[in-house]
Amino acid sequence: DAGVTQSPTHLIKTRGQHVTLRCSPISGHKSVSWYQQVLGQGPQFIFQYYEKEERGRGNFPDRFSARQFPNYSSELNVNALLLGDSALYLCASSSHNSGDTDTQYFGPGTRLTVL
Amino acid sequence: QKEVEQDPGPLSVPEGAIVSLNCTYSNSAFQYFMWYRQYSRKGPELLMYTYSSGNKEDGRFTAQVDKSSKYISLFIRDSQPSDSATYLCAMKRPAGANSKLTFGKGITLSVRP
Repeated sequence: DAGVTQSPTHLIKTRGQHVTLRCSPISGHKSVSWYQQVLGQGPQFIFQYYEKEERGRGNFPDRFSARQFPNYSSELNVNALLLGDSALYLCASSSHNSGDTDTQYFGPGTRLTVL
Repeated sequence: QKEVEQDPGPLSVPEGAIVSLNCTYSNSAFQYFMWYRQYSRKGPELLMYTYSSGNKEDGRFTAQVDKSSKYISLFIRDSQPSDSATYLCAMKRPAGANSKLTFGKGITLSVRP
């Protein structure tokens, strides 16, 4: 069984540009969460989607947006990129919205560098 | 004060040593506790998942939770060079609330052969 997949693996952008990151969850999983991991820090929660609806949003500016598609894959969009957006962007999938024992499985991440 | 504090690193130990990794938290709403291992340039991999106070063992790994002290630990016995990675503690609230994970900063462990 394939795990969580993310694309692209690496991305280099310049300030002010826009970026779209993609995630495919584990087959059968309906929930996708996005996290930002800055170098030397733990992942920070950005969004959670379940059944195509936003179920949670972290403390990130409106430049960050996301959506989930009918096949449960997801996109994270970031507009007007800043140098501080340089980070590893992680996608995690789980089978439920917020089950007590629900486990989040992470993908390999997309490393975004903003110049 | 951050919701989750993790002992600063890095940590370097000889092969075969017992390793103790620790996190404290301030929010008593956290009920579920996890340890993730993250190799360089990879996504976090779940190692242990615990709910109640007490110990949970899985092979060379033992997770310990003390809710009264808001303190969790991960012990690694007979550490191996392949254990060299960053270890992240993570916590979440019960079902019905946002199921987001709140992570510690992570500690980098190096096991010397």
